Amino acid sequence: GAVVSQHPSRVICKSGTSVKIECRSLDFQATTMFWYRQFPKQSLMLMATSNEGSKATYEQGVEKDKFLINHASLTLSTLTVTSAHPEDSSFYICSATRAAANNQPQHFGDGTRLSIL
Amino acid sequence: AQTVTQSQPEMSVQEAETVTLSCTYDTSESDYYLFWYKQPPSRQMILVIRQEAYKQQNATENRFSVNFQKAAKSFSLKISDSQLGDAAMYFCAYRRLNYGGSQGNLIFGKGTKLSVKP
Repeated sequence: GAVVSQHPSRVICKSGTSVKIECRSLDFQATTMFWYRQFPKQSLMLMATSNEGSKATYEQGVEKDKFLINHASLTLSTLTVTSAHPEDSSFYICSATRAAANNQPQHFGDGTRLSIL
Repeated sequence: AQTVTQSQPEMSVQEAETVTLSCTYDTSESDYYLFWYKQPPSRQMILVIRQEAYKQQNATENRFSVNFQKAAKSFSLKISDSQLGDAAMYFCAYRRLNYGGSQGNLIFGKGTKLSVKP
């Protein structure tokens, strides 16, 4: 079945550093990737939609200069949290879809737990 | 804008019994997809079941079935013969049909934490 690999699974770093999270579709080409954020005991909230070869579309309230998304190939999207601060600590999870067809499911990565000290 | 509401923050069921998780949604669209996802403590998102709105027949996957009431905008999940491994957060999600050449994102409810008692 379709597999999405997300790396790293856990990051602990100091305030002010930048952190890059990778989302790879291992056995299919992902036309669209989504980045979600999940606070403890809360639901997944969409941060941005990433289409290969074009700029990401950010949801209202998500700072695009803070959360840089790059989708340079059909198998890789990256989320960079720039100058991270403790309030950016959260669980970040990506999903990818094989094609635009309605019946194609979205496949989730295993998520990244980001902790900023 | 579409919204998804799960009114039960927590539910509990005895092993081998049946439990129903509620979900309602709001949309002005006539065609769309609805999903139930399971998120265990590992925080993986696992697709449990999917329903296309244009299909009147309720989806079923082994012990999991849905009661889809389109007019009422209700989409409940029934888990039969509950097992200890069913304990997890369950999220109801909505997705619009694709347009503009790209697939839409999932809109999630707040989730229901299911506990299974041995």
